[in-house]
Amino acid sequence: GAVVSQHPSWVICKSGTSVKIECRSLDFQATTMFWYRQFPKQSLMLMATSNEGSKATYEQGVEKDKFLINHASLTLSTLTVTSAHPEDSSFYICSAIVAGGSPNEQFFGPGTRLTVL
Amino acid sequence: GESVGLHLPTLSVQEGDNSIINCAYSNSASDYFIWYKQESGKGPQFIIDIRSNMDKRQGQRVTVLLNKTVKHLSLQIAATQPGDSAVYFCAENGSGGYNKLIFGAGTRLAVHP
Repeated sequence: GAVVSQHPSWVICKSGTSVKIECRSLDFQATTMFWYRQFPKQSLMLMATSNEGSKATYEQGVEKDKFLINHASLTLSTLTVTSAHPEDSSFYICSAIVAGGSPNEQFFGPGTRLTVL
Repeated sequence: GESVGLHLPTLSVQEGDNSIINCAYSNSASDYFIWYKQESGKGPQFIIDIRSNMDKRQGQRVTVLLNKTVKHLSLQIAATQPGDSAVYFCAENGSGGYNKLIFGAGTRLAVHP
């Protein structure tokens, strides 16, 4: 149980285009999802916290107009990288907390590799 | 600012030996700590966790030790196997709210036959 999926698993796009990444909780409802970014050989850095039905909370230094987050249902959160540039190339990982479960237990998705040419 | 750091960026061990991965944390308000394993191109996988009211917790082949006096966390893997090769991250829940996790820099564990 507690499986999180991401789609796509990898994407290559041209500079200036927008890319949408989906994060789904497959067998549970998630009131809270998190989006992380991980550059090569580095740690996970939290970008934003996504709560179902409300606006996302962004970490300091993360541009909310560039990284649009939508958490429209209890099983889906999306991250849209708008006007992507090569420096946005990274591994994007989402995680989810089970509604009604332990608030400290995050289940991670498999990640999405974004390459911007 | 808040940070979770690791002493060793890379650890090489022989198959069958025990591995010890260390982590230092700076936020004394953290009350929950987790170790994750991340294989190349995949998301983090939960290994074991520990709350601040404990100093040791054991799982299958893994043990986490917490020393709050010196703000130190370690992961011990017994009888290390090639399948244990990965990057290991410690994480703490800090004091930022929203159940946020702060990840350490990571240690790569390389297991040699």
